[in-house]
Amino acid sequence: KAGVTQTPRYLIKTRGQQVTLSCSPISGHRSVSWYQQTPGQGLQFLFEYFSETQRNKGNFPGRFSGRQFSNSRSEMNVSTLELGDSALYLCASSRGQGFGGEKLFFGSGTQLSVL
Amino acid sequence: GESVGLHLPTLSVQEGDNSIINCAYSNSASDYFIWYKQESGKGPQFIIDIRSNMDKRQGQRVTVLLNKTVKHLSLQIAATQPGDSAVYFCVYGGATNKLIFGTGTLLAVQP
Repeated sequence: KAGVTQTPRYLIKTRGQQVTLSCSPISGHRSVSWYQQTPGQGLQFLFEYFSETQRNKGNFPGRFSGRQFSNSRSEMNVSTLELGDSALYLCASSRGQGFGGEKLFFGSGTQLSVL
Repeated sequence: GESVGLHLPTLSVQEGDNSIINCAYSNSASDYFIWYKQESGKGPQFIIDIRSNMDKRQGQRVTVLLNKTVKHLSLQIAATQPGDSAVYFCVYGGATNKLIFGTGTLLAVQP
């Protein structure tokens, strides 16, 4: 069974640009969550999608958005990039919603560098 | 607000010794706790979980202990091996419908 796939693995952008990250969950998983990981802040929850609907959202500005497609694949978009957006963006999938006790399966992440 | 914090950012142990990683949480309404392990260049990997109606749960070489009175969680790893070297995260789940990750503890296993 294939794991969670995130693309691209690495990305370099400049301030002001926008970026789209992709996540393909494990087959059969309907929930996809996104996290931002930085050395100073650790892992911070961005949002969770379940059955194409955003079910939960963390404390990030509106520049961070996402969506989920009917096949459960998810994309995350960051507009007007800032230097502080440089981070490892992790996607996790689960059968149900993560807060309910479902195990999360993480991808290897997309390392975003903003110059 | 809610927080899950780790006391020690780095833990160094000898191969073969037992490791104990500690975690304090602030929200007494937390009803689900998870430990994740993250190796360099990889995403976090589920290790073990425990619900608030339990005090202890054992897995293969790992044990999680929950003390709700003092809001403390610990992960014990028996006979620590070099492959256990990683960052370990204590994670809170439940009441807020979000999973909140602690800052992590780096476990360094010395040969």
